[in-house]
Amino acid sequence: QSALTQPPSASGSPGQSVTISCTGTSSDVGGYNYVSWYQQHPGKAPKLMIYEVSKRPSGVPDRFSGSKSGNTASLTVSGLQPEDEADYYCSSYAGSNNYVFGTGTKVTVL
Amino acid sequence: QLQLQESGPGLVKPSETLSLTCTVSGGSISSSSYYWGWIRQPPGKGLEWIGSIYYSGNTYYNPSLKSRVTISVDTSENQFSLKLSSVTAADTAVYYCARLNSYGFAGIDYWGQGTLVTVSS
Repeated sequence: QSALTQPPSASGSPGQSVTISCTGTSSDVGGYNYVSWYQQHPGKAPKLMIYEVSKRPSGVPDRFSGSKSGNTASLTVSGLQPEDEADYYCSSYAGSNNYVFGTGTKVTVL
Repeated sequence: QLQLQESGPGLVKPSETLSLTCTVSGGSISSSSYYWGWIRQPPGKGLEWIGSIYYSGNTYYNPSLKSRVTISVDTSENQFSLKLSSVTAADTAVYYCARLNSYGFAGIDYWGQGTLVTVSS
């Protein structure tokens, strides 16, 4: 299984929106509605931000939203805040109880 | 509050076996609906799925690592463990243990702090 493809970087000014894509295949992203997104600050463990494509765990701001179309999932961060600067990873179920992560995107708040 | 803590050697020699244990506190590893997994992250690189286990002992491994990986569970100690054999420098990474919610479908909702394992002679 190959890593899902994400853009290496994305940026926006405070208050703006940024959208990160996550492209896979029909064997992972396109085949299941089990895409998750994780935020990782330097030196810290990842944090679950979105699961099942568009659901937010308790405590995650509604500025974070997810969607999917075909083999590509997306994470949108609206109203960017300085604390949103981090690495973001997508993940998808890939069948047979296996999962695959994305290549990661570094979000910079300008 | 559920907590996961990795433990094990921080330095492993090439060709030897990497062994890590994850101790779960604040909840039972035997709870239904949860899988328990291992994920790693080489320095400066992305996340890689290693595998997972259910409290009953059913295991699931990344196909690319399957020949070298063994994950086991000890419900009496509320722990699960990772063994990775024949390691090379490419296995140097921060290793995370984690809980997979709703059999994994609802994402990885709890993570350990991670432990750096360096493969070097």
